[in-house]
Formats: sequence, structure tokens, C-alpha cells
Amino acid sequence: NAGVTQTPKFRILKIGQSMTLQCTQDMNHNYMYWYRQDPGMGLKLIYYSVGAGITDKGEVPNGYNVSRSTTEDFPLRLELAAPSQTSVYFCASSYGASGGYEQYFGPGTRLTVT
Amino acid sequence: AQSVTQLDSQVPVFEEAPVELRCNYSSSVSVYLFWYVQYPNQGLQLLLKYLSGSTLVKGINGFEAEFNKSQTSFHLRKPSVHISDTAEYFCAVINQAGTALIFGKGTTLSVSS
Repeated sequence: NAGVTQTPKFRILKIGQSMTLQCTQDMNHNYMYWYRQDPGMGLKLIYYSVGAGITDKGEVPNGYNVSRSTTEDFPLRLELAAPSQTSVYFCASSYGASGGYEQYFGPGTRLTVT
Repeated sequence: AQSVTQLDSQVPVFEEAPVELRCNYSSSVSVYLFWYVQYPNQGLQLLLKYLSGSTLVKGINGFEAEFNKSQTSFHLRKPSVHISDTAEYFCAVINQAGTALIFGKGTTLSVSS
């Protein structure tokens, strides 16, 4: 059981470039999430999904897009990268209410935009 | 609307001393509360959670938290800390729709010898 895996671990982007952060979970969780973590700011929810084909915006969705074509995968797309998107990105998954709302986190992707 | 306030951004303590990390919440619906720990360069790991029942919740690594409805608090405690407890700790509350967690800004616990 790998849990939640994220790739890449680190990435440096130039302003205006685009990239996709990959997230996969092998726990058959319906719920999946993308957060960004900035120093002293806690975790902010970017997007979440309650099942394949269903996604919704979180607190800070601007500049990002997501898709959920399968239960296992929840990629996060950055279009036209900006310095403000320099952050650590965490993917998480959960059973929702049936699992006591516990979220399982991946190891994170550290992104720098210069 | 749901929100969480962690009252201390940094808590320095000596090894084997007791520690309390403070968390206040605001919620207009059912209160489900969580504490997560993040060790350096790692993802978050659940320490404990309160969904219902006993207001004293025991978690992993000797941590416990007490849900206090009248004071809208969910403080995390450990009677004797170790160097290995050095980490960032996050308090969280379930959002109104029950679909996602809202996190506090975190408390950095630094344990020294």
C-alpha cells in the first residue's frame, strides 16, 4: 500500500511556463484534495473532488485547474506560472464521513517559480 | 462559517517538560476537530480527532486533546515531550459541507535538551 504519492518532489519553473503536479492514491478513497502551504499561513485548499468526474473550488483556486477522470488520480495543472505560486503543494485523500473525515497526505511537491 | 485560530505560532520547551498547544474554533454546524503533525520535509499525519463522545481524546505518540464546547477550544497536550516531538502542529475543523478541512496557521513546537 503506497498511500498517496506525488510527483515530482521538486520543480523549478520559469514565469509563464505550465506544468502538471501528479497525485495518485491506492486506497480507493472518493475524496481527494489539493492544498498549498506557505510559511506561517497553514494549508489553503485549492481544489477538491468528491468522486470521479466531480471537482469543486476551494479557498484559493485562481491560476490552477484540476480534473478527476479516475478514482485514483487527481492532477493539478498550473497554467502561466507566477512567482506567487511558489509554494509546497500537498495532495490528500479521504473516505469522507464514512472514514471519520481523516485525510491522508502525500509527501508534497516543492515548487519554485522564478 | 468555520474557522480555526492557533494561539501560539511558536512554542519552545525543554525535553521532558509538559506542553500545551492551544486551538480555538468557530463553527456553525457539527463540530469535528483534528490535530495533525508535520515533521520536517514530510506530509501531514493525523494525531487525533474529535467527532463525538468523550471530550478527552487520546492520540498517537502520547498526545491528548480536550474538546471544550463552552470555551470553543481544542487544546493539545503532552505530559512529557521528547526531542523527536519537534515538528509543526496543525489544528483543523471540518467545513460546513463536510467535504474538506479548514486548517489553522500552525504551531511550531521546538524541543531542546
